[in-house]
Amino acid sequence: EVQLEESGGGLVQPGGSLKLSCAASGFTFSGSAMHWVRQASGKGLEWVGRIKSKADSYATVYAASLKGRFTISRDDSKNTAYLQMDSLKTEDTAVYYCTPSHPVQGYWYFDLWGRGTLVTVSS
Amino acid sequence: DIQMTQSPSSLSASVGDRVTITCRASQSISSHLNWYQQKPGKAPKLLIYGASSLQSGVPSRFSGSGSGTDFTLTISSLQPEDFASYYCQQSYRSPLAFGGGTKVEIK
Repeated sequence: EVQLEESGGGLVQPGGSLKLSCAASGFTFSGSAMHWVRQASGKGLEWVGRIKSKADSYATVYAASLKGRFTISRDDSKNTAYLQMDSLKTEDTAVYYCTPSHPVQGYWYFDLWGRGTLVTVSS
Repeated sequence: DIQMTQSPSSLSASVGDRVTITCRASQSISSHLNWYQQKPGKAPKLLIYGASSLQSGVPSRFSGSGSGTDFTLTISSLQPEDFASYYCQQSYRSPLAFGGGTKVEIK
């Protein structure tokens, strides 16, 4: 069964750090790019960033709005991707989703999603 | 960076209506445009990829068109289960980006 499970969310104070995990199964994790997408309550979807596969040198790219505070990594031996969030702000409060992608007929899209994990940044 | 603009941000429609949502990219993205449906408390669901290709299992009343900078999602006959939010997303170049969303409500 194809599955994604995000974990690690919770309550953190402004300025703090949190590391989210995304455990994958049922598909070729090592060959997929892994993305993080977030959604604040009542708001739209926001792409956070992605890490490519080993074949693409684990290249990462992030949304400019994050200004270097977030870092995506992966452990292919554990079929797990991570999102390290530092210097957290109240506006980072959101549900965080991970989602894989790989090119199909030259197109990239997100057809598999987890349930998400809620991060709340508050004092 | 490529910006995605959706319109309208919300609309009210009745069951059976034909609904059209538009998405505009700030620069050409060829056909690298995807559409998602999201219901409250749920993860997004892929409807259309490559601007016009219907994802497996998605009803044929959903269709997508466009290329370059202007795209359209059409629901030919709105069903009760279609009341949801819809998002476009460009996958042409990183950083990727979603449109602001369109909420389809019951009239």
